[in-house]
Amino acid sequence: SYELTQPPSVSVSPGQTARITCSGDALPKQYAYWYQQKPGQAPVLVIYKDSERPSGIPERFSGSSSGTTVTLTISGVQAEDEADYYCQSADSSGTSVVFGGGTKLTVL
Amino acid sequence: EVQLVESGGGLVQPGRSLRLSCTASGFTFGDYAMSWVRQAPGKGLEWVGFIRSKAYGGTTEYAASVKGRFTISRDDSKSIAYLQMNSLKTEDTAVYYCTRSGITAMGPYYYYYMDVWGKGTTVTVSS
Repeated sequence: SYELTQPPSVSVSPGQTARITCSGDALPKQYAYWYQQKPGQAPVLVIYKDSERPSGIPERFSGSSSGTTVTLTISGVQAEDEADYYCQSADSSGTSVVFGGGTKLTVL
Repeated sequence: EVQLVESGGGLVQPGRSLRLSCTASGFTFGDYAMSWVRQAPGKGLEWVGFIRSKAYGGTTEYAASVKGRFTISRDDSKSIAYLQMNSLKTEDTAVYYCTRSGITAMGPYYYYYMDVWGKGTTVTVSS
């Protein structure tokens, strides 16, 4: 089955840049999506189609793709960005959805 | 305001059944695929399945872990999606989220993502 691999944790100081990676063999051919989940809350879509930002998502959130790795970048990290982040993609035929294991972002 | 509200969660014994509902408002329900995603306590997100809109055949897809036990359906006239869960196992214990699915077309295929989420309903499978 198709898998997406994320680092379990990333730590960054306020005002710095956080980069969260997601690796998968099919990512060169498939779009990736990113979700933010704060404790006790439902996830929120923060990036779609690798690098598009939904309305209402701050500009400090951006996404990029290179080969088998996609990256969520949060510039000028704020305390409120502390959360779990999940990448998501799909199998080649669009018949299944897969999530990465999630990355806990800690703002020091 | 676009909103999804799940209901029907609770405590159920292993082997029994439960049906979750997802009531949508604020958008044209019939135009969208709807997905279910679950999260076991302290764990990550797990896709359960989705149902395509009628325009894309209204067909369903499921994760291997629930295929044959869970069924997703929809009533576009009521703007409700359902998740029928049969033969429940303790490992099905989770918060179940209903999501509206955006769609991306690439070549001959369509790919789904979750652009709106409900707050979730908790299902506990225990004797």
